[in-house]
Amino acid sequence: DTAVSQTPKYLVTQMGNDKSIKCEQNLGHDTMYWYKQDSKKFLKIMFSYNNKELIINETVPNRFSPKSPDKAHLNLHINSLELGDSAVYFCASSQNVNSPLHFGNGTRLTVT
Amino acid sequence: TQLLEQSPQFLSIQEGENLTVYCNSSSVFSSLQWYRQEPGEGPVLLVTVVTGGEVKKLKRLTFQFGDARKDSSLHITAAQPGDTGLYLCAGVRTSGSRLTFGEGTQLTVNP
Repeated sequence: DTAVSQTPKYLVTQMGNDKSIKCEQNLGHDTMYWYKQDSKKFLKIMFSYNNKELIINETVPNRFSPKSPDKAHLNLHINSLELGDSAVYFCASSQNVNSPLHFGNGTRLTVT
Repeated sequence: TQLLEQSPQFLSIQEGENLTVYCNSSSVFSSLQWYRQEPGEGPVLLVTVVTGGEVKKLKRLTFQFGDARKDSSLHITAAQPGDTGLYLCAGVRTSGSRLTFGEGTQLTVNP
């Protein structure tokens, strides 16, 4: 029944590694997002896809690459992880670009 | 400088007290949303306001959109420990196309 599900919930890895976070929504929404929440709880958008097409690409290092195989999935791959990448990453979806967001429960990434 | 400024950043009160959280901007918004986030979970939408001066009530929570659509407030009456969480406002500017979040207000209601 989970509307927006992301895996894994926790990810602990060393600097320099490559990791992926997966996200799936079963709401039939057209738009999906990746947000980063830092230690001060500020939510900052990273990417947005509408119908598998990238529509928002904020100033994010090239090491971060989103991929949307279909409308219901938006994955995030991170290369060469750095200490500063440690944060909680939230996937979200919405019916369209300006509709309210439905968030997943987050992936807490810790880079050591 | 944040587009949406929330105040206070932190609020710790006793059960039964009333409180108000503010979300202010110098920009005009076509709509404003309020979310609540509990530890270990993602933010959950509480309400959307779209009309200047609009007031919406959700049990003990009252949301107001400013007449000029530049600000919003959330008032909680007789707060309960279950109200504890991070309250986030988010808006879409009339001149923009993406949703922007405020910095959040961390509310703790002590029993």
